[in-house]
Amino acid sequence: RKEVEQDPGPFNVPEGATVAFNCTYSNSASQSFFWYRQDCRKEPKLLMSVYSSGNEDGRFTAQLNRASQYISLLIRDSKLSDSATYLCVVVPGGYQKVTFGTGTKLQVIP
Amino acid sequence: SAVISQKPSRDICQRGTSLTIQCQVDSQVTMMFWYRQQPGQSLTLIATANQGSEATYESGFVIDKFPISRPNLTFSTLTVSNMSPEDSSIYLCSVQDRTNEKLFFGSGTQLSVL
Repeated sequence: RKEVEQDPGPFNVPEGATVAFNCTYSNSASQSFFWYRQDCRKEPKLLMSVYSSGNEDGRFTAQLNRASQYISLLIRDSKLSDSATYLCVVVPGGYQKVTFGTGTKLQVIP
Repeated sequence: SAVISQKPSRDICQRGTSLTIQCQVDSQVTMMFWYRQQPGQSLTLIATANQGSEATYESGFVIDKFPISRPNLTFSTLTVSNMSPEDSSIYLCSVQDRTNEKLFFGSGTQLSVL
């Protein structure tokens, strides 16, 4: 089993739609979780941190389920500018290596 | 958050040559990380650059191929040596905020080897 697995893409959704991505991780001791957004041929940029209590930032909601070892990202009212690859990032803690998912590509279509 | 200036942003190189990528951080950091991202793939850690000691390389990456310098707490270079077309990739430097574990990246170097 891969350390971090994400939904296979691409996701093609119409503007205004709601879309959700999941990411599972294998290391139950992992401590920190993030969603990053990466535009084509650009560097990953932090979208939001993920907490067990769930957190929301505008149209974006992230959730962590430690019992099932997955994190999710929900995007409401999709915009064309949301088109990008979304990377799930898991930090084991301490000085252990950060693990990246392979990314889920989202294409919002007019 | 940290601001990282990375250069060059892209280069096209001939087989057998070497390219040095530079990263400058706007604050002092203990560790800097160098990643490779091949087309359609996720990020793979090449090595961790430590100031005052040799870099720590991940499995599959060696110092002769990817020498790293870390002369101070705000700067690092990665050299891709004796390049082949298989080295064509995006190379990214990164730092991690130890207070919240967040990662910040340079803008990346898109390398094409002919």
